[in-house]
Amino acid sequence: GAVVSQHPSRVICKSGTSVKIECRSLDFQATTMFWYRQFPKQSLMLMATSNEGSKATYEQGVEKDKFLINHASLTLSTLTVTSAHPEDSSFYICSARVAGSGNTIYFGEGSWLTVV
Amino acid sequence: AQTVTQSQPEMSVQEAETVTLSCTYDTSESNYYLFWYKQPPSRQMILVIRQEAYKQQNATENRFSVNFQKAAKSFSLKISDSQLGDTAMYFCAFMGGNAGNMLTFGGGTRLMVKP
Repeated sequence: GAVVSQHPSRVICKSGTSVKIECRSLDFQATTMFWYRQFPKQSLMLMATSNEGSKATYEQGVEKDKFLINHASLTLSTLTVTSAHPEDSSFYICSARVAGSGNTIYFGEGSWLTVV
Repeated sequence: AQTVTQSQPEMSVQEAETVTLSCTYDTSESNYYLFWYKQPPSRQMILVIRQEAYKQQNATENRFSVNFQKAAKSFSLKISDSQLGDTAMYFCAFMGGNAGNMLTFGGGTRLMVKP
């Protein structure tokens, strides 16, 4: 089946530094990718919708200058957490919509971010 | 805006028995899609079953089936012959009919299958 690869799966960074998480569709083109954040024992919270070749659409309350999203190609979207703080520690998940499918979405494996 | 509600934060079932997880949603759209996702301890989101709102027939995938009541805006998941590997978080999700719409998730139900 279709695969979405997310990297790194786990990352630890120091406060004040930036960290990049990649979301890659391996065997299909994804014009739209989504980034979610999941706190322990909670549901997935949509952070932003990433469209290839255009600016991401951020959900209310999500700081676009802190969570930079780039969708430079049909198979890759990146989330950069800038000037990370311990409260940014969380599980981040991406998903990708198969181009032209309308409702077929696949999820990455997720990335654990720990800011120390 | 659409909302998805899962009223059961936690449930448990004995192995081999049947369990039903509840989900209700609110929308003004007539064409949409509904999903159940499973999230095991590995955190990987796994699609369990999908239902198109325009289809009256309830979707079925092996031991998993749904009871889709469009008028009541209800979309419950029935797991038959529960297995230990079914232990996971289950999320109900809604997607509007427009191509650009995203998934809206419910709060989740933690299911424990007991031996």
